[in-house]
Amino acid sequence: EAGVTQSPTHLIKTRGQQATLRCSPISGHTSVYWYQQALGLGLQFLLWYDEGEERNRGNFPPRFSGRQFPNYSSELNVNALELEDSALYLCASSFGGDPGYTFGSGTRLTVV
Amino acid sequence: QKEVEQNSGPLSVPEGAIASLNCTYSDQGSQSFFWYRQYSGKSPELIMFIYSNGDKEDGRFTAQLNKASQYVSLLIRDSQPSDSATYLCAVQNPPGGSYIPTFGRGTSLIVHP
Repeated sequence: EAGVTQSPTHLIKTRGQQATLRCSPISGHTSVYWYQQALGLGLQFLLWYDEGEERNRGNFPPRFSGRQFPNYSSELNVNALELEDSALYLCASSFGGDPGYTFGSGTRLTVV
Repeated sequence: QKEVEQNSGPLSVPEGAIASLNCTYSDQGSQSFFWYRQYSGKSPELIMFIYSNGDKEDGRFTAQLNKASQYVSLLIRDSQPSDSATYLCAVQNPPGGSYIPTFGRGTSLIVHP
């Protein structure tokens, strides 16, 4: 069974540009979660999608947005990139009563 | 503001020793508790979860939960160099709450031969 897959693995963008990160959950998982892990900081919750709807949002500005597609894959968009957006972006999926998350390998975003 | 606190470490233990990792949380309504292991440059991996007060054992790992004192701990017996990683504690409210776990910043564990 394939795990949570994320693409691209690495992404380098210039300040002010837009970044698009993609995530495919484990087959059968309907919930997708996005987290930001900046150097020296913990996992910061960004967004939760379930059944195509945004269910919850963390304390991030509106330039962080996303969506979930009918096949449950998800996209995270970051507009007007700032240097401090440089971080590892992790996607996770879960299903029903399963405990915890399964994380993807992440996208390392570098803003220069 | 829900908080999950962990000592950042590093915690250094010799091979074969018991490593004890601790986590405290602020939200008394928390009901689900998780430990994730994150190797350097990798993504977190769920290794233990616990819902009830007391101990839960899985191989060399034991999770301990004390809701009255609002702490959860992870014991690693017979520590191996391959256990060297950052261990993240996560605490979650029941469904109906935010349902989004809050993560601590993690404790770095170094197991030296």
